[in-house]
Amino acid sequence: DTEVTQTPKHLVMGMTNKKSLKCEQHMGHRAMYWYKQKAKKPPELMFVYSYEKLSINESVPSRFSPECPNSSLLNLHLHALQPEDSALYLCASSQDLDSSSSGNTIYFGEGSWLTVV
Amino acid sequence: GENVEQHPSTLSVQEGDSAVIKCTYSDSASNYFPWYKQELGKRPQLIIDIRSNVGEKKDQRIAVTLNKTAKHFSLHITETQPEDSAVYFCAGGKSSGSARQLTFGSGTQLTVLP
Repeated sequence: DTEVTQTPKHLVMGMTNKKSLKCEQHMGHRAMYWYKQKAKKPPELMFVYSYEKLSINESVPSRFSPECPNSSLLNLHLHALQPEDSALYLCASSQDLDSSSSGNTIYFGEGSWLTVV
Repeated sequence: GENVEQHPSTLSVQEGDSAVIKCTYSDSASNYFPWYKQELGKRPQLIIDIRSNVGEKKDQRIAVTLNKTAKHFSLHITETQPEDSAVYFCAGGKSSGSARQLTFGSGTQLTVLP
């Protein structure tokens, strides 16, 4: 099973709303990621969690707040977003690099399409 | 940080011909180079990857070559089929603790003409 599940698939929110994107994997992976992808552009790394600890924050504005409640779950809390934040938000996971060569592979979820109005 | 450049941005080939996409990277610490295929409205899907201790890897019609000295790597697709049409992204990756930090190229829109 190489499944990373994201909910919701589509989200429309106003600039004053608070919402959350959720991601789940049951592959035993210990690294989880949030990427943002605009149309016709490559995915851009936002956050990396390694063993449930935030290890990379790519200077993401504080209106995006990640949370890793346990090794299988990753959330992205959204508050006071701007229309330019509308994009596809991709969650991904990978196995512990130290465990085997398969730790190299990053598996993406289907993404959550976010529209800010 | 890492900078990955990808060329060409668009590529059209006739069905059955070969397609080649090239990428260069800047960070000598990068040691993992995956290629992802993304169809319209879908997630990026890994099609092949190569680590820095290997010069070439092949999987059926797809091959990747890596030149560490020149810091460039290429994707080769032979006997192209219409279902190969998609956006292809290369990426350069390095370790960040137990995680992978990937930087993507700008993407190549491949169109295979029947």
